[in-house]
Amino acid sequence: QSGLTQPPSVSAAPGQKVTISCSGSSSNIGNNNVSWYQQFPGTAPKLLMYENNKRPSGIPDRFSGSKSGTSATLGITGLQTGDEAAYYCGTWISSLRLTVFGGGTQLTVL
Amino acid sequence: EVQLLESGGGLIQPGGSLRLSCSTSGFTFNSYAMTWVRQAPGKGLEWVSSMSGSGDNTSYADSVRGRFSISSDNSRNTLFLQMNSLRVDDTAVYYCARGRIVGASLWFDSWGQGTLVTVSS
Repeated sequence: QSGLTQPPSVSAAPGQKVTISCSGSSSNIGNNNVSWYQQFPGTAPKLLMYENNKRPSGIPDRFSGSKSGTSATLGITGLQTGDEAAYYCGTWISSLRLTVFGGGTQLTVL
Repeated sequence: EVQLLESGGGLIQPGGSLRLSCSTSGFTFNSYAMTWVRQAPGKGLEWVSSMSGSGDNTSYADSVRGRFSISSDNSRNTLFLQMNSLRVDDTAVYYCARGRIVGASLWFDSWGQGTLVTVSS
């Protein structure tokens, strides 16, 4: 049950754009869809993106998702200080009925 | 309004047992894949176990298989996690999450606030 690989941290200035990568393999991302979660310190994770690029109701279109092959990417434009949080990717390996998460990426808005 | 509320966490000695509960409301409980996810202090998310809406399918992470057991009481819309042979590295905040399955996709669209389990002598 190998996890997914994310950069530990990314940073950018307010108003700028940032991307967070999530790398997997053919056994996980390659054959399954990816979801993304946002977590502020001391709080529960919150769904940000599902099925690679779909936003739940209430998530602004500054957030976008994509998947290509065995990797996925979360994009955030028009960065705000309120976006400072940890971001996690996840995928369900349907053949094994198990879920794997990435190690998480801490976003700093400088 | 969808609500998930975990309880049952606490301080337990290594080798001990604990049963977590997740009381839910605001949705049809047996229509979702209910799941436990944990987060060790200062660490990332770790999937622990999931149960299909029908209860026919359960799955576990390698790290807990054989020690943890997921179950539910559909009449009370409540999910459980029985944790036996607890180890120090089981120390974490345990979240209950509602999972939606569509085709080859599963995502967690609602989460509880978490309950802290501390395994220490």
